[in-house]
Formats: sequence, C-alpha cells, structure tokens
Amino acid sequence: AQSVTQPDIHITVSEGASLELRCNYSYGATPYLFWYVQSPGQGLQLLLKYFSGDTLVQGIKGFEAEFKRSQSSFNLRKPSVHWSDAAEYFCAVVLNAGNNRKLIWGLGTSLAVNP
Amino acid sequence: DTAVSQTPKYLVTQMGNDKSIKCEQNLGHDTMYWYKQDSKKFLKIMFSYNNKELIINETVPNRFSPKSPDKAHLNLHINSLELGDSAVYFCASSSPYNTGELFFGEGSRLTVL
Repeated sequence: AQSVTQPDIHITVSEGASLELRCNYSYGATPYLFWYVQSPGQGLQLLLKYFSGDTLVQGIKGFEAEFKRSQSSFNLRKPSVHWSDAAEYFCAVVLNAGNNRKLIWGLGTSLAVNP
Repeated sequence: DTAVSQTPKYLVTQMGNDKSIKCEQNLGHDTMYWYKQDSKKFLKIMFSYNNKELIINETVPNRFSPKSPDKAHLNLHINSLELGDSAVYFCASSSPYNTGELFFGEGSRLTVL
C-alpha cells in the first residue's frame, strides 16, 4: 500500500543549528511531493512542493528540500534554525492515478528549538 | 482578508448535542475539504467537495454531514456528539482538485464533555 513515512516523531535542535527532517514514500512512480508546517494553534501552511524538474526546491521561511528518486525521499532542510521554526512538520504526497489523485499525509515531525 | 475562515474557533459541548462548524474561502477555489486532526496530530481526510459535488466521503460515521451551499462554503454538521469526536477540525481548499496545494483554515477545536 502507498504510504508516507516520517521516521522522526520528535526532534530537538538548538537555535542556529542546521535541520534535516526526513520523509520517505512508497510508490512506484514519482508522486507530487509537499512539506507543510503547522505552528501551534494554527492551520497548516505549504512550505514547498516538488512536481518535476530540479530536484532541489526552495520554499518559504528559508527551507529547502531535495527529491532523491533512488531513495524515495524528500527531506526538508534548513541551514540555521530560528526559535520561530518550532512547529509540527508534515510531509505529503499526491499519487497520480489519472483523474483519481490521492493525497497521503505523513504522521508529522514535531520540532522543538532550544535557545 | 483571511483566505479560508472557519467558525467557531473553539467549541465546547456536551455529549449527545448537535453542532455545526462553518467554513468559507475567498480564493475562488473549486474544491473544499474537511480534515480531522486528533490529539496525536494525525490528519485524516473526512470529506471533499468539488464544485458542490461530494467527491470523497471517507469512513466517517453518518452523524457527520457536510453541506456545500455554494463552492465558497463547506459546512460540517455533527449529530449526537460523542467523546471521541473531540479533535481539531480543519477546513481547506484547493484548485484544481487534489493537487496537494491546500490552503487551510485555522481550525476549530471541538471538545465534547
């Protein structure tokens, strides 16, 4: 069955440190790939997306993600984390089955930032 | 102007009551969704409407009934509320359908006592 895996349930980093959040998917073809962020008490906001082309995509708030087909991964990175980045991060994929597109969500990674 | 707005933001009610959550989007999108987020932050799609037509109806108890009077509005009515209905309910919209680029409301936190 198609699935999205975020192996890290919770990550803590120090402010100013680099960050990498992992996302893997299981699907035969290349799906559309997304990262969303949910700040405390807020709705989800799209950080970045990958449809095709350059496998390194830039998003908002200084985030980037790299699609690696060989690893079925789409990891999210940020070179220097700010305290305001503390949030829940969701990876999601859209499986393209003709007109029957299906959006599948990972379980999320909770990011805490130490001062 | 808020793109996707939900009301109320908080709802506290007793078991057995009926309640509604309203959602409106001013983005001109064709598709609207209701998601349920539980206490572990797990997101579950409940319903999806495309141009007022029900597209997705996941295995949700029939106590939950969506209604889309027009493509800018998608309301959620819940009958006979149960303790397990306590969650945050998110409305979202997209255009076209299910491209993955969703715009979310801020959520409605429902607490059933």
